[in-house]
Formats: sequence, C-alpha cells, structure tokens
Amino acid sequence: DIQMTQSPSSLPASLGERVTISCRASQGISNNLNWYQQKPDGTIKPLIYYTSNLQSGVPSRFSGSGSGTDYSLTISSLEPEDFAMYYCQQDASFPRTFGGGTKLELK
Amino acid sequence: EVQLQQSGPEVGRPGSSVKISCKASGYTFTDYVMNWVKQSPGQGLEWIGWIDPEYGSTDYAEKFKKKATLTADTSSNTAYIQLSSLTSEDTATYFCARGTIAAMDYWGQGVMVTVSS
Repeated sequence: DIQMTQSPSSLPASLGERVTISCRASQGISNNLNWYQQKPDGTIKPLIYYTSNLQSGVPSRFSGSGSGTDYSLTISSLEPEDFAMYYCQQDASFPRTFGGGTKLELK
Repeated sequence: EVQLQQSGPEVGRPGSSVKISCKASGYTFTDYVMNWVKQSPGQGLEWIGWIDPEYGSTDYAEKFKKKATLTADTSSNTAYIQLSSLTSEDTATYFCARGTIAAMDYWGQGVMVTVSS
C-alpha cells in the first residue's frame, strides 16, 4: 500500500496568512493526488484533484502543486471558513489511501 | 444537483451486522463508482472499497474484505454497505463518495455506527 504522510499535523495561522500543507507519498504517484477539506460538523468537501485542478466552486485562493512523491496545498490568504481539517489522498493505485490530516486552526 | 443522502445513525450489538444506505440523485447512478470511507472517532479517513453499480463489481481494501460487503440497487439508485461481526473497532462514521477521474467529487453526510451491548 502507498503510505501518505502529511505535515504538519497541526498548523496555527492567522486570518489573511498564506499557508502550505505538505503531503509525501511512500512511492511515486504520478500526480494522482487529491485534497479534501473536512469541517468540524463532519462535512467533507473535495478541493483539488490531480495535483492542481480545482473542483467546481472552490475559491481561487486554494492551489495545489507537486510531482513524484511530494505535493502541497497552499491557501494564499486565509478566510474564516478555511479553518478545518485537510486530507490528501492518492488514487494512483489500490487501495486508495489518505494522509493523516492537517488541522488548520486559528492562532 | 448531485446529492448523496445517507441513512440515519445505527447502533449494533457486538457480533451483529448493520446495513447502511446511500441514495444518489441528480446524476446517472450507473455512470460512476461509489466509494465507501471510514472515519473512526477522532481519526483520519480510511478507504473501505468501491462498487461499480452498473456491473456490481467491487474492490476492497484488504483489511475490510471480511468486514464489509458493498452492494447497489440500480432500481432505486442506492448503494449499501453491510458491516458484519461488529466489534468496538467498527464504531465510526461511514461516508459514501462518488468516484470519478476527478477524485471523490461528491460525499454523503456520513452515518455514525455505534457498536454497543
């Protein structure tokens, strides 16, 4: 199985700040990397697919990049609704696997 | 509008089974696979498996092969997951999520399953 490692696990940040969350795969995943946001009420929203493509309706302050084994999610200027959990997920191979999550919290 | 409406919370006794549903609307049910994802309390996300509703074909993560059974009813556009031989380890929230080339692009609201005697 491909292991996905996210860092940091917790990220204190301020409104308006630019933040980056990292995700590393245990082997190359050829850009087959997706990002999801989970709100405190449990609702899960897809953000980015195939490394850098925004899902419909996702604000442009979100962006993704990476290649090989290393990927990242960047939020250019934090809004109040962005404080949530974030997960990366690979779909290069089965079983699909997720990173352990990053909690983005208000500093 | 695409929607995945999951059934309500379940309580199951140890050793029993539960079956939860995910009713799809707003798209052609047989055109997309349906994933199932587990989230234990305070933990991250685990992929259980998926089903292709058109053919009924399935694929499971190894650790769920003896635990979960995925089915789909194309007449009602509903996917199901049955969890058997329940233990405390199965206490979790279970999500369905439509699968496309654009990842898991729509998610249900999740169903809390509690295993308790």
